[in-house]
Amino acid sequence: DGGITQSPKYLFRKEGQNVTLSCEQNLNHDAMYWYRQDPGQGLRLIYYSQIVNDFQKGDIAEGYSVSREKKESFPLTVTSAQKNPTAFYLCASSPRPLAGAYNEQFFGPGTRLTVL
Amino acid sequence: AQSVTQLDSQVPVFEEAPVELRCNYSSSVSVYLFWYVQYPNQGLQLLLKYLSGSTLVESINGFEAEFNKSQTSFHLRKPSVHISDTAEYFCAVGISGSARQLTFGSGTQLTVLP
Repeated sequence: DGGITQSPKYLFRKEGQNVTLSCEQNLNHDAMYWYRQDPGQGLRLIYYSQIVNDFQKGDIAEGYSVSREKKESFPLTVTSAQKNPTAFYLCASSPRPLAGAYNEQFFGPGTRLTVL
Repeated sequence: AQSVTQLDSQVPVFEEAPVELRCNYSSSVSVYLFWYVQYPNQGLQLLLKYLSGSTLVESINGFEAEFNKSQTSFHLRKPSVHISDTAEYFCAVGISGSARQLTFGSGTQLTVLP
């Protein structure tokens, strides 16, 4: 089955530790995204990548880092510099839009990170 | 830059009653509009989308939304809700040619009461 997988579903870390969240897709999509979800705030874009070896900061990139070494993988590292990392993290992907067209984003099941 | 406002954070409604979830957007250019649904501790699923053409779009499970350019709105409606419709609903706006693609509203929690 084609889709997006995120692991693990729940993650606990001590304050001051870096942690990496996994996101893999087998949809052959060019673009991938990381969002952070907090209650009452909707989804906020952390980083996005349109092609391999290229990515851009979103609205709340401070304290996070990403890599895009393979088309199907877009891991997110939450560093100790992120002041309030406890949140629900969602990964998404979409095909590269053709000129004048638009593609929906497909979401993974999410990872809930709790920093103790 | 575009923005999305979902006017109601919580909408309780009795089963089989109609419901409307409101969404307004602001943008200086043409937009694409989406409604996503999220069940507890899950990712988002696309419910319906407006790209072009008919301003009224429908989903397979009875929801519909109407794009109103003059009002800059894309409200979601269902004439008769079920318990299983209880979820959080997100409105999103996209700009053609924008690499970052979507901006989301803050969400509306729909709770269907028996």
